[in-house]
Amino acid sequence: DARVTQTPRHKVTEMGQEVTMRCQPILGHNTVFWYRQTMMQGLELLAYFRNRAPLDDSGMPKDRFSAEMPDATLATLKIQPSEPRDSAVYFCASGLVLGQEIYEQYFGPGTRLTVT
Amino acid sequence: GEDVEQSLFLSVREGDSSVINCTYTDSSSTYLYWYKQEPGAGLQLLTYIFSNMDMKQDQRLTVLLNKKDKHLSLRIADTQTGDSAIYFCAEGGTGRRALTFGSGTRLQVQP
Repeated sequence: DARVTQTPRHKVTEMGQEVTMRCQPILGHNTVFWYRQTMMQGLELLAYFRNRAPLDDSGMPKDRFSAEMPDATLATLKIQPSEPRDSAVYFCASGLVLGQEIYEQYFGPGTRLTVT
Repeated sequence: GEDVEQSLFLSVREGDSSVINCTYTDSSSTYLYWYKQEPGAGLQLLTYIFSNMDMKQDQRLTVLLNKKDKHLSLRIADTQTGDSAIYFCAEGGTGRRALTFGSGTRLQVQP
């Protein structure tokens, strides 16, 4: 049963600390997405990668957020320094893009981040 | 740009049918999706439909697509309390690399 995994599931940290969230996409998927979900903003796309290359990170605050894919089995989202307004659930999703079409996007369970 | 809109809330009684509606703006949408999010969980892909279809049925779920009006609906037959969740409509199109999601419809099923 292929699925996207994310760690940690929950993270509580103090303002100013570094936070790293990890994601393992579904084997064979060539696209990875990072989303943030809050009550106020709903689901926001932060960044996505295709074949490990960053395609778009325009949804991400560049001064404190960074996203990488060191290899095909691992994607990371880092916040440094973290702020209370970063408190949200962060979802990773992986999908398959063939040619110009995107489909089969599957979500991980999310990392619930609380910054105090 | 692309936009997807959904009503925020729907309440039904157990055993009734639920119909969740969605409208989108991009006429080049190729695939349209329905996702379900239960409390504390990620988004689960329920079903999707190609834009050249007008209906797709999968057990209790029926998806209807009116491409002319850019309207998508999800019908859940014999709604159960376990169907209580937030349902997201999403669309994807040729040349676009990410799906566009609606804001979600919270379905409440009353016993």
